[in-house]
Amino acid sequence: TQLLEQSPQFLSIQEGENLTVYCNSSSVFSSLQWYRQEPGEGPVLLVTVVTGGEVKKLKRLTFQFGDARKDSSLHITAAQPGDTGLYLCKSASKIIFGSGTRLSIRP
Amino acid sequence: DTGVSQDPRHKITKRGQNVTFRCDPISEHNRLYWYRQTLGQGPEFLTYFQNEAQLEKSRLLSDRFSAERPKGSFSTLEIQRTEQGDSAMYLCASSFQTSGSSYNEQFFGPGTRLTVL
Repeated sequence: TQLLEQSPQFLSIQEGENLTVYCNSSSVFSSLQWYRQEPGEGPVLLVTVVTGGEVKKLKRLTFQFGDARKDSSLHITAAQPGDTGLYLCKSASKIIFGSGTRLSIRP
Repeated sequence: DTGVSQDPRHKITKRGQNVTFRCDPISEHNRLYWYRQTLGQGPEFLTYFQNEAQLEKSRLLSDRFSAERPKGSFSTLEIQRTEQGDSAMYLCASSFQTSGSSYNEQFFGPGTRLTVL
């Protein structure tokens, strides 16, 4: 069974700080997606990474897919309160979500 | 608004009762997914449809759960003889899957929050 483990489970930091959250698996994935979910809403796709070693940037968010395609990271620069939410990684080709990282940015 | 809609948004029921949820996907999407999400966790896959065909069911989908997508449009998820452990957010998502693509973007509805007393 393919599992996606995310760390940390919770993260609370001050506005302006940088942070990185991780998504790891023992299995190889053909592609990986990151979603963000805000309270009372469904998840919204942020990015899809396909190639091992790929790096994608979305404003202050940087996504990286591991060379072996078993892991991924999301780095946020200068976090803002609007970044608060549940960050989920998902296998793009399988219907598997990670357990999520709940991020809280304090003003 | 042409996004995914779900009805009702909240449902409170007593243990043992049956409940039915509805999902209206984005109109041109051929795939429709159901997930269950408990507080602080990622969504857990339940089942998905390609048009009207139910292609995959998770082992989480016990025989008390049934889903339909008549005519490949809206979908319903019914839970019979509800148990307290069924309390969760039930999310619906839709996507457009082409034959040449191994992945797609799923668009989620706001969910139906079920509380079983």
